Order: sequence, then C-alpha cells, then structure tokens
Amino acid sequence: DIQMTQSPSSLSVSVGDRVTITCRASQKINSYLNWYQQKPGKAPKLLIYAASSLQSGVPSRFSGSGSTTDFTLTISSLQPEDFATYYCEQSYTTPWTFGQGTKVEIK
Amino acid sequence: QVQLQESGPGLVKPSETLSLTCIVSGASISNYYWSWIRQSPGKGLEWIGYIYYSGSSIYNPSLKSRVTMSVDTSKNQFSLKLTSVTAADTAVYYCARVGCTSAVCYFSYWGQGTLVTASS
Repeated sequence: DIQMTQSPSSLSVSVGDRVTITCRASQKINSYLNWYQQKPGKAPKLLIYAASSLQSGVPSRFSGSGSTTDFTLTISSLQPEDFATYYCEQSYTTPWTFGQGTKVEIK
Repeated sequence: QVQLQESGPGLVKPSETLSLTCIVSGASISNYYWSWIRQSPGKGLEWIGYIYYSGSSIYNPSLKSRVTMSVDTSKNQFSLKLTSVTAADTAVYYCARVGCTSAVCYFSYWGQGTLVTASS
C-alpha cells in the first residue's frame, strides 16, 4: 500500500494567517492527489483534486501544489470557518489511501 | 443536488454481518463509481472499496475476504456487507460518489455517515 504522511499533525493559527500543510507519498503518485476538509461530526468535503484543481464552490484562498511524492495544501488567509481537519488522499493505485490528518486549531 | 444517505443497524454483534445501504437522490446511480469509506479513531480514514453501477467492483485487500458490495439500479442505491465483524470494525461508515477525470479519481459527494458499533 502507498503510505501518505502529513505534517504537521496539528497546528495552532490565527484568523488571517497563511497555512501550509504538506503530504508525502511513500512512492510516486504523479498528480493523483486530493485534499479534503472535515469538521467535527461531518463527512469530509472535497477541496482540491488532481493536486491543484479547485473543486467547484471552494473558496480561492485554498490552493494545492506538488507532484510525484510531495504535495502542499495552502490556505492563503485563514477564515473562522476553516478550522477543521485536513486530509490528503491518493488515488494513483488501489487501495486508495489517506493521510492521518492535520488538525488546524485556533491559537 | 446529489445526496447520499446511509442506513442500517448501528449495533452488530461480533462474528455477525454488518449490512449498510446507501440511497442516492438527485442523480442517477448509472455511469458512476460508488464507494464505501470508514473512519475509526484508531485507523483514521480507510477506503473499503468501490463498485461501478454495472456491478464490477474493487475492494481493499485488507478487507477483501469479508466484503461484498452490490448495486440496485432500480432503487438507485448500493450496499455493503462486511462479514465476521470484530470490535476493530467499529467505525463511522460513509458512502460516497466517485468522480473521475483523465487525471484522477476522487470522492465528490459523501453521505453524512453512520456509526456502526460491533459489540455484544
């Protein structure tokens, strides 16, 4: 299985901060990388697919970059509604696998 | 608007079979892949498998011996069966629609999730 490792596991930030979350794959996955946001008690929500494509309806402050094994999710200016847990996921090969998550908390 | 809703027992006895159904509304089940994902505190998010509307499927090898997925196009729904459950199968189970481009597949729509507890 391809292992997805996110860092950091958690971070404390303030509204307006720029946030960067990284995801590393244990082997090459080209751009088969997606990002999801999950709030407590809710299902994950797709933010970014194919490493850098913004899902329809997602604010432009979210962006994704990277390829091969190293990827980044950036929130340019954190808003109150962005406090959540973020997951990366690879669909390069089955079994599709997720990172362990990065919890973004209020400082 | 595409909506998915999981249904099924919230409590399953160890060694018995977990059965869940996902009802799809707002879109036809045809021409898409549909997936099950679960989330437990110990293992995070785990992809269980996917099924095409035609019935072809791929399962996670870690669960393959115990998983069966099926589709009922007449009812616009798909289902999951997991046999011989143990406490390790306790999780929130999500159904999701799989979207694919030429570049990638992803989970575009999710159900709200249903907690299934394996306990006597």
